Amino acid sequence: SQKIEQNSEALNIQEGKTATLTCNYTNYSPAYLQWYRQDPGRGPVFLLLIRENEKEKRKERLKVTFDTTLKQSLFHITASQPADSATYLCARGDDKIIFGKGTRLHILP
Amino acid sequence: NAGVTQTPKFQVLKTGQSMTLQCAQDMNHEYMSWYRQDPGMGLRLIHYSVGAGITDQGEVPNGYNVSRSTTEDFPLRLLSAAPSQTSVYFCASSYSIGHNGYTFGSGTRLTVV
Repeated sequence: SQKIEQNSEALNIQEGKTATLTCNYTNYSPAYLQWYRQDPGRGPVFLLLIRENEKEKRKERLKVTFDTTLKQSLFHITASQPADSATYLCARGDDKIIFGKGTRLHILP
Repeated sequence: NAGVTQTPKFQVLKTGQSMTLQCAQDMNHEYMSWYRQDPGMGLRLIHYSVGAGITDQGEVPNGYNVSRSTTEDFPLRLLSAAPSQTSVYFCASSYSIGHNGYTFGSGTRLTVV
């Protein structure tokens, strides 16, 4: 079956360091991947979309990579802050969007 | 511009009852989807629509019906509620899912007793 997996359920990172989250996909070659942020009790908020022909995309302190050989996307938050603490979701898509289970990121002051 | 509006925010149903979760968007988005979110399971796609009059099943469609008679509205119907349908339900919409992400509503927390 086509799977999208986020390997870490939770990740603790010291404030100021770079947080790196991983998303892997199997049995499928998505045309694009999306990353979302979700805070407790709220709906997800779209952050970035990267297409299969794009190696890297940036938005302020966020960077996403897409490696079709490794079947993997990495999501980086540089100069992390406690306010970055949230659950981050990876999603694969074509005509429908399927989400991974998410990684809870804790930025420790 | 209200975005994606979901009603109600909270609902308690008895087993066997039916109800409709409402979702409306005012952004002229073609793509709309319904997800449920359960602890440890992440967001799972129930049904989705790529435009008015077009719907398709997602990962967990059993027990749910949808229709898309207008671009703006995408209601989700629970035919005969079961305790396993206790969840938080999110509706989402997008102008173009290959170029933009989804805009999510604030969710409906449903409890079936």
